[in-house]
Amino acid sequence: SQTIHQWPATLVQPVGSPLSLECTVEGTSNPNLYWYRQAAGRGLQLLFYSVGIGQISSEVPQNLSASRPQDRQFILSSKKLLLSDSGFYLCAWSRDQGSSDTQYFGPGTRLTVL
Amino acid sequence: DQQVKQNSPSLSVQEGRISILNCDYTNSMFDYFLWYKKYPAEGPTFLISISSIKDKNEDGRFTVFLNKSAKHLSLHIVPSQPGDSAVYFCAAIYGAGSYQLTFGKGTKLSVIP
Repeated sequence: SQTIHQWPATLVQPVGSPLSLECTVEGTSNPNLYWYRQAAGRGLQLLFYSVGIGQISSEVPQNLSASRPQDRQFILSSKKLLLSDSGFYLCAWSRDQGSSDTQYFGPGTRLTVL
Repeated sequence: DQQVKQNSPSLSVQEGRISILNCDYTNSMFDYFLWYKKYPAEGPTFLISISSIKDKNEDGRFTVFLNKSAKHLSLHIVPSQPGDSAVYFCAAIYGAGSYQLTFGKGTKLSVIP
């Protein structure tokens, strides 16, 4: 069966510090991978998605970036965090069967920027 | 512009009764719809989905209805159980070429024992 891991589970960082959140998927090959953010009082917003190694698409302009160094690894980064980056970050995966497929989410990372 | 709307931020239902969660969408290009359940501090869990070529899909206690002409879908939970208490997100996706799930803001369901 497939599992998706995210770490850390919680993170408190000062404004201006760097960020690296990691997501890995087990039990599947060549998944589509996604980063979402849920800000307080808002729905889930897609930040990035990737259909393969080194292929990243960004949905919203921001000071975050994503990378996919390996098939089942997806990393969310920032060089300098802003207060507005606080939120709940979720990684998700779906099978490489085109776009109309269910996305499965990881446990999430709660990021607080102070 | 919110393309997927869940107009009820919260809903309370007695245990054993039916819970009906509603979702409206504005983009007629959406052709696949999903419901997710989310507990605090956890990632959303996939519940049930429906393709636009259907008007109903059932899985155990969960049934999703789709009314394309009204651009409306609903999730029915029968019978409701206290463990169903969570936030429920409706999501929609375009056809081929798009990978973006568009989510509603969620409805918090409380099932009262």
